[in-house]
Amino acid sequence: GAGVSQTPSNKVTEKGKYVELRCDPISGHTALYWYRQSLGQGPEFLIYFQGTGAADDSGLPNDRFFAVRPEGSVSTLKIQRTERGDSAVYLCASSLTGANSYNEQFFGPGTRLTVL
Amino acid sequence: RKEVEQDPGPFNVPEGATVAFNCTYSNSASQSFFWYRQDCRKEPKLLMSVYSSGNEDGRFTAQLNRASQYISLLIRDSKLSDSATYLCVVIHPGRRALTFGSGTRLQVQP
Repeated sequence: GAGVSQTPSNKVTEKGKYVELRCDPISGHTALYWYRQSLGQGPEFLIYFQGTGAADDSGLPNDRFFAVRPEGSVSTLKIQRTERGDSAVYLCASSLTGANSYNEQFFGPGTRLTVL
Repeated sequence: RKEVEQDPGPFNVPEGATVAFNCTYSNSASQSFFWYRQDCRKEPKLLMSVYSSGNEDGRFTAQLNRASQYISLLIRDSKLSDSATYLCVVIHPGRRALTFGSGTRLQVQP
């Protein structure tokens, strides 16, 4: 079946602009996660949704970052007033449910964001 | 101190060699442990979960030492296709987010 998909695959923007990154999880997966990965580092957690609600947003670095999942499926990560330090690969993952920490998280291919 | 620490490598080994990676974690209450594999410019994929009793999956063996807060991955009979970055991952108590180490890069040479 189809895996996690993310669009766009690449996004180049200028400092100060607004960007939206989209994630389409595996069908039937109620848990959705956003991570970001800088060069040479492991992914860092941003936010976790269980259904429509953000169950854990402790990884969002500041109030320029916001994410929604209005219908419990597709999620959008929104970044306002982008900064060069926001340049990274933004990864989305989904799992069957967030109720069990052993439920495997399946990752999408990521969106490579470059802020000039 | 990072929550999950790994030697970044690279580990350059010949085909057929046995190689071991180690990882330490700082939160003694961490409950779930994994190894993920990430190929260059690709997404991470689950390689195996790690259990206290140790577990094996073909050429791969994972061990957890809770007392020392230490996780290991052993790869026997290395293949060229094993070349990748191996990410050590823990889940803290009461959370669902994965906490990753920076990864250890393996390059298997012909």
